[in-house]
Parts: sequence; C-alpha cells; structure tokens
Amino acid sequence: GNSVTQMEGPVTLSEEAFLTINCTYTATGYPSLFWYVQYPGEGLQLLLKATKADDKGSNKGFEATYRKETTSFHLEKGSVQVSDSAVYFCALNFNKFYFGSGTKLNVKP
Amino acid sequence: GAGVSQSPSNKVTEKGKDVELRCDPISGHTALYWYRQSLGQGLEFLIYFQGNSAPDKSGLPSDRFSAERTGGSVSTLTIQRTQQEDSAVYLCASSLRQGGLGYGYTFGSGTRLTVV
Repeated sequence: GNSVTQMEGPVTLSEEAFLTINCTYTATGYPSLFWYVQYPGEGLQLLLKATKADDKGSNKGFEATYRKETTSFHLEKGSVQVSDSAVYFCALNFNKFYFGSGTKLNVKP
Repeated sequence: GAGVSQSPSNKVTEKGKDVELRCDPISGHTALYWYRQSLGQGLEFLIYFQGNSAPDKSGLPSDRFSAERTGGSVSTLTIQRTQQEDSAVYLCASSLRQGGLGYGYTFGSGTRLTVV
C-alpha cells in the first residue's frame, strides 16, 4: 500500500541551526511528493513538491530531494528562523493523498 | 474564489445535535477532499469527490458522517448525533484533479468543531 512515515517531534532548534525532518514513503507506483506546513492557528499550506525521482523542490529556503533509491523526501533548511516554527507534513500523491503524522518544529531565539 | 473557503470557522455544539460544515472550493477545481485533524494528531482522510464520479467514502468513521457535493462545487459535511470524540478541526481541500500528476491540494483554514 501507500504510506508516509516522518520523524516524530517536537524538534527544538535554536535560530540559525540546520534543520532536517526525515520522511520516507512506500508506494505501489511512482508518486508525487509534497511538504505542507501548518503555522499556529492556520490551515495547511503547500511548501514544496517534487514530481519525479531526483527532482528537488524548494521554497522559502527549504529544500527536499525525491530519492527513489531510498524512498525518501527529507526536508532541509540551512538556517532556521523563529518564524519557521510550525507543523510540517510530508505527503505523497498517488491517486489519493497520503499524509504523514506531522512534525512540530520549535525554533527558539 | 481565490482560495478554499470553509464555514463556520468555529462551531460549538451539544452532544447529540447534528452539525453541517461547508466547503467552497477554488473555482474550477474538480477534486474536493475532507480531512479531520484531532488535537495534536495528523490528518485523517474522510472523503473525496472527483467530478461526477462516485465519491470515495472509505475514510468516514461511522454512518453518522455523510457528505455531499452539489453541482460539482460546494460541499457539505454532515455529522449526525455528534459525540465528544468528533471534536476536531475539519479541513477541506481542493485540487485541479486527483491523481499522481503533481497537483497539490489547496486547503481551507478549517472548521474547529467542539462537542460539549
């Protein structure tokens, strides 16, 4: 079947630290992969996406590379800010969307 | 409209009452989805609609939950005889189409339902 597994949170970092949130997936075919972000009190917003192997999605300093060989789509950012504090959801789209359970990121000044 | 609109944004209801939650998707989006997000939890798929096809109801937790989509646009999620465990944020999303072609969802800001 299709599923997404992402690292459990919360993840607490100091401002300007390097961020990695791991995401791995299982899929019966070749899905598209997404990261969504949910800021406190708001709905989910699309952060970035990749539609095929080796594609790199990027937005707002965040990046994720679609790795078919490791079935992964890890989210990275070189220098986090307090304003990045949110819940991050990894998702795959293969005939239907499947979401991970979310990883809460807390960035302290 | 410019985004996915959900109403009401907050709803407090007494246990046993029926509630209706509304979703107005982005114009032209043929796929519409309902998810539920309980406190501190991930997203639980409820139902989706794609054009005129029969909806996928596989995520509805019980027969107290139902949804309809009129004219391929506005959708209403109805919960009958609400229970306290129904308390959650109900999120609606729409997409140009469903399928593995890289189309992302656009989410509404959700309806926070509290059953007391």
